[in-house]
Amino acid sequence: QSALTQPPSVSGSPGQSVTISCTGTSRDVGSYNRVSWYQQPPGTAPKLMIYEVSNRPSGVPDRFSGSKSGNTASLTISGLQAEDEADYYCSSYTSSSTLVFGGGTKLTVL
Amino acid sequence: EVQLVESGGGLVQPGGSLRLSCAASGFTFSSYWTSWVRQAPGRGLEWVATIKQDGSEKYYVDSVKGRFTISRDNAKNSLYLQMNSLRAEDTAVYYCGRGSFVKIDYWGQGTLVTVSS
Repeated sequence: QSALTQPPSVSGSPGQSVTISCTGTSRDVGSYNRVSWYQQPPGTAPKLMIYEVSNRPSGVPDRFSGSKSGNTASLTISGLQAEDEADYYCSSYTSSSTLVFGGGTKLTVL
Repeated sequence: EVQLVESGGGLVQPGGSLRLSCAASGFTFSSYWTSWVRQAPGRGLEWVATIKQDGSEKYYVDSVKGRFTISRDNAKNSLYLQMNSLRAEDTAVYYCGRGSFVKIDYWGQGTLVTVSS
């Protein structure tokens, strides 16, 4: 049950777009469309941003989008805003009937 | 409004036990899978356990199998995590969440468990 691989950090200026990758294996990301993304500002609980690869819960801005290709899922945030600064985590269902998270990516808005 | 409120955290010695509770409100608790996710200080999220609506199916991360037990009481709208044989590496904030492998769409604020002598 190894963690999914995410870059430790990404950054961008307000108004720009950033993409966070999440690499797994054929036993998780590659085999199931059960990939979710969570936003966690410092000292707060995680918040669901994307589920089933590309679906947005109500209330999440359409600046947030998700996609998947092979064993890698991606979260793209367009029109960066200062309030987007947070840690982001991906997760995936696995063939062992478990859930695995990525190591997390710290997004800095410059 | 959906609310999840964890309780039961605290300081416990290695080898000790602790029972976490999560009180749910604002939705039909018995209709949802629910999960526990933990976060060690300064570290990332780690899934711990998930339970089906009626408690008939339970799933655990390997590192807690045989030590932790997830359960629920739908009449009390409550989720539990019984933690035995606690280790230092179990030190974390424990979150309960509504949902499971597809998504966890609501999260509590977490309760801190510290395992130390």
